[in-house]
Amino acid sequence: AQKITQTQPGMFVQEKEAVTLDCTYDTSDPSYGLFWYKQPSSGEMIFLIYQGSYDQQNATEGRYSLNFQKARKSANLVISASQLGDSAMYFCAMREGPKTSYDKVIFGPGTSLSVIP
Amino acid sequence: NAGVTQTPKFQVLKTGQSMTLQCAQDMNHEYMSWYRQDPGMGLRLIHYSVGAGITDQGEVPNGYNVSRSTTEDFPLRLLSAAPSQTSVYFCASKPWENQPQHFGDGTRLSIL
Repeated sequence: AQKITQTQPGMFVQEKEAVTLDCTYDTSDPSYGLFWYKQPSSGEMIFLIYQGSYDQQNATEGRYSLNFQKARKSANLVISASQLGDSAMYFCAMREGPKTSYDKVIFGPGTSLSVIP
Repeated sequence: NAGVTQTPKFQVLKTGQSMTLQCAQDMNHEYMSWYRQDPGMGLRLIHYSVGAGITDQGEVPNGYNVSRSTTEDFPLRLLSAAPSQTSVYFCASKPWENQPQHFGDGTRLSIL
């Protein structure tokens, strides 16, 4: 069965420093995708970055990069040069599949990141 | 471009009442899903659909029904509301398997 673990309920980082948010996952499906979303206090879900299980290189999107270690089943999010606007909840999610009628996307419990001026 | 529209935004129910949360998307996405968000538990998948006429259970389906008669709409029905169903409900859609989901603004539901 799919499972996502985020072991850091809360994190603090100094402004302009880098921070790593941990995500480990469990799946028996060789084809899967990993996503990170940001949820600010206003409540909307914002997509940040995607990594496919067959992708050879780690994904990057601006200040966001994904440290993908397939053998360890980890997909950590790295935020470089933190900004005050990065303060939010961060969720790791995994899609298992696809099969004809099976394409579940499940989320981890999230990490609350606070950026300190 | 409306994206994913959820109605209502807020609702208060009494225990035992039934209600339908509406979700509509105008992006012609095949995949739609419903999540509930509770403090400390992230988003938990209730039901999802990979296309019109096809639905499947997620992690926490008990107490909820769905149907998908059109590509655009994916309503979530609470058959007999219970206080444990107090939560924020999100609907999401995506075009195909490797794409990120687009989320609605959420429905905050309180059951007394």
